Amino acid sequence: KAGVTQTPRYLIKTRGQQVTLSCSPISGHRSVSWYQQTPGQGLQFLFEYFSETQRNKGNFPGRFSGRQFSNSRSEMNVSTLELGDSALYLCASSLGRQGADTQYFGPGTRLTVL
Amino acid sequence: GQQVMQIPQYQHVQEGEDFTTYCNSSTTLSNIQWYKQRPGGHPVFLIQLVKSGEVKKQKRLTFQFGEAKKNSSLHITATQTTDVGTYFCADSNTGNQFYFGTGTSLTVIP
Repeated sequence: KAGVTQTPRYLIKTRGQQVTLSCSPISGHRSVSWYQQTPGQGLQFLFEYFSETQRNKGNFPGRFSGRQFSNSRSEMNVSTLELGDSALYLCASSLGRQGADTQYFGPGTRLTVL
Repeated sequence: GQQVMQIPQYQHVQEGEDFTTYCNSSTTLSNIQWYKQRPGGHPVFLIQLVKSGEVKKQKRLTFQFGEAKKNSSLHITATQTTDVGTYFCADSNTGNQFYFGTGTSLTVIP
């Protein structure tokens, strides 16, 4: 099976702009979670989508949003970018069973905000 | 919010030495997953522990879940250069919402 893919791999934006990141999960996986990874804060959970619905949400401002399509592909949007949004954004897919499920991470999108 | 602390933050070992990272929580963990992230890479699932006092082994790696389910450890015997990376523990309290530990970065000196 093909792994989790994320596009683009690298992105440079300026403050105030918005950005959309894409994640294609492993075939058959219905859950997609998004994480932000920074040297200072580590890996932080943003949100999880399952069957096109947001099932869990982390503690991030409303500028961070996401959605999931019927084919389980997911997008994450960040509006009004701030310098502190520079990070590696990882998505992880899983079968989506209740209870902790093995998560398969994509290679990530490296976002730099200037 | 839930906090999962990991110690140490960094560890340098000579190749062949053992290595241990600890994951601690102030609250009872529902389960623990361990991940490894190589430099420049993404986290890769290693194992999941669910039961109190559970011990699992994968070749040179030994994973333990505390009796009170408030801590966990990963022990690597006779480290190799391929063990280099950051090791994370992760807990989920509600389904697939995971709280990752701060990670332990392992450097193996040949």
